[in-house]
This record gives sequence, C-alpha cells and structure tokens, in this order.
Amino acid sequence: ETGVTQTPRHLVMGMTNKKSLKCEQHLGHNAMYWYKQSAKKPLELMFVYNFKEQTENNSVPSRFSPECPNSSHLFLHLHTLQPEDSALYLCASSLDWTAGTGELFFGEGSRLTVL
Amino acid sequence: GQSLEQPSEVTAVEGAIVQINCTYQTSGFYGLSWYQQHDGGAPTFLSYNALDGLEETGRFSSFLSRSDSYGYLLLQELQMKDSASYFCAVLAGGGNKLTFGTGTQLKVEL
Repeated sequence: ETGVTQTPRHLVMGMTNKKSLKCEQHLGHNAMYWYKQSAKKPLELMFVYNFKEQTENNSVPSRFSPECPNSSHLFLHLHTLQPEDSALYLCASSLDWTAGTGELFFGEGSRLTVL
Repeated sequence: GQSLEQPSEVTAVEGAIVQINCTYQTSGFYGLSWYQQHDGGAPTFLSYNALDGLEETGRFSSFLSRSDSYGYLLLQELQMKDSASYFCAVLAGGGNKLTFGTGTQLKVEL
C-alpha cells in the first residue's frame, strides 16, 4: 500500500472511445504526476500538477487531457487514442514540486490497451 | 537532452552481492534516485544521492560520483524477493523532475 490509488487497474478501449483514469493520494501531498511506462522504454513524464496548477506538460498529444480538481485527485481523460498509446499509466505524488527530493510515491498503475 | 544507461539484466545467486551501475548525461544535475519495481507493482523509492559518496540503508547502498556522472546501487545478502526491476533516475532541470533509465531486471537464483 503506497498511499496512491489508481483506478481502473486495467482498461481496454477502442480508438473512438472516451475513458478516464483516476488517481487519489492519501498522503497529504501537494504535487501529482502522470507517467507513461512502455515496455523496454524509460518511464516518461507526461504532466505535473503542483497545488492544482499544471506546472509541466511534456509535449503530450492533446488526446490526453489531465484534470486536477484538488491536491488529492488527478484524472487523465483519454479520447481518440492510438494503439501505440497502449501502456501502463502511473500516477505519483510528492510533498511539493519545488522541493526536489528525488522521491515520488507511485500507484500501481492503470494498464491501458487500445484496440 | 538527458540520457541514462544501465544494464538491461543482471543475474545473481541468493546471498550474493550485486552492483547495478548507472551512467548519465544531463545538464542542471541535482541528484540521482533509485527505484524498485516488482512485476505488476508500483515503483518504490529506494534512495537519493545529491552528494558524492556512499549512502547505506540496510542491505541496500547507493553511490554517486558527480565528477564521473556515475552512480550505482549495491544490494547485499540477496534474497529471492529482491528479484525486480531497478531504475536509476536523475533529478535535473528544476522542481522534482525525474528522468528515468530503462531499468535493470535483477534475477535472484537459488
């Protein structure tokens, strides 16, 4: 139990579907992250929110749309995805974006398959 | 840009010592982190080195040489449960922004 919960754990969707991934952290942190993990590739940072404000967008295609309504919740809205978007999407949190501690608390991820 | 290199696979026997190396190229370097990830699990934080030298936490130690852009994770008294992927990650460029390596899959055998 890492204190970061992601749902759903597995998701299969067609290229025309719209779905959302949800992340919730119970650690009292103020920064939340989305990472993409594909086989044989490094974890790729997608988005960062600090105190609900987006601080990083790592040139992510607009078919991925993040939402951070408060410091405890983070969503990733998905629409018109491509098969190459199939991956494990990891949510993480840290106490504060500006305090570079090198420590992130990850959830177990949402395994996405795009058909 | 930033790049990290670490071996893709390492195999060792139970009770042994193993060292996983990581070399990096980056600008605005602050420190080097290590994470462990079991199959199907969340990456979990192991250590962070901002200064040169060795830091020990139980059976695991992490080393950093900033002048050589090099670090390693040392695992002692290996146990079967240590079989997992290990990622190095550089903290660079401001904020808590981590760039990860491709990971080293460690297999511990009897």
